[in-house]
Amino acid sequence: AQSVTQPDIHITVSEGASLELRCNYSYGATPYLFWYVQSPGQGLQLLLKYFSGDTLVQGIKGFEAEFKRSQSSFNLRKPSVHWSDAAEYFCAVGAQGGATNKLIFGTGTLLAVQP
Amino acid sequence: DGGITQSPKYLFRKEGQNVTLSCEQNLNHDAMYWYRQDPGQGLRLIYYSQIVNDFQKGDIAEGYSVSREKKESFPLTVTSAQKNPTAFYLCASSPSKNVRLNEKLFFGSGTQLSVL
Repeated sequence: AQSVTQPDIHITVSEGASLELRCNYSYGATPYLFWYVQSPGQGLQLLLKYFSGDTLVQGIKGFEAEFKRSQSSFNLRKPSVHWSDAAEYFCAVGAQGGATNKLIFGTGTLLAVQP
Repeated sequence: DGGITQSPKYLFRKEGQNVTLSCEQNLNHDAMYWYRQDPGQGLRLIYYSQIVNDFQKGDIAEGYSVSREKKESFPLTVTSAQKNPTAFYLCASSPSKNVRLNEKLFFGSGTQLSVL
C-alpha cells in the first residue's frame, strides 16, 4: 500500500539557517511527489512537485526537493530560512497512471523559526 | 478571482445533529475532494468526486455523506453517525480526474468543526 512518512513532527531552525525536511514514501511504481505548505487555519499551497525527469525540482519561495529513488525519499530543502517560512509542511504521494487523483499525505512537519 | 470557497469558517454541532459544510469552486474543475485533518495525523480522504452526479468513498467515509449535483459544488454532510467529528475539514479540486494530466490540488481555506 502507498504510504508517506515524515519522521520529524516538529523542527525549529534559526532565521537564516538552512533547512531540510524529510519525506520517505512507499509505492510500487514511480510516484508523483508533492510538497505542500499550510499556514495556521488555512488551506494547503503547493510548493513543488515531481513527476519525472530531473530529480532536483525547484519550487516557489526558494524551496527545492530532490527525488532519490534508491532511498525512497523526497526531502525538501531551503538554503536560508525566513521567519515567514514558519508553517506546517506536508509531503504527499500520488498514484501515477491511475484513474483517480488520490493523494496520500504524510502527517506533516511543523516548522518554527527563531530570530 | 477564481478559487475554492468553503463556508462557514467555524461550525458547531450539537450531539445527534447533522451539519453540512459548503464547498464551491469557480475554476471549472472536474474533480473535487474532501479531506479531514486532525493534529498529528495529516490529511485523510473522506470522499471524492470525479464528475457531476458521481462520487466515491475515500479512506474514512463512515459517518459522512456528499452530493455532486452541480460541477461547482460539493457539499459534505457530517451525520450524527460520525462520533468524533471535531476536526479541520478541507475541500480541494483539480482540473482533471486523471492524475497524469493534473498539476496539483487547489485547496479551500477550511472549516473548523467542533462539537458542543
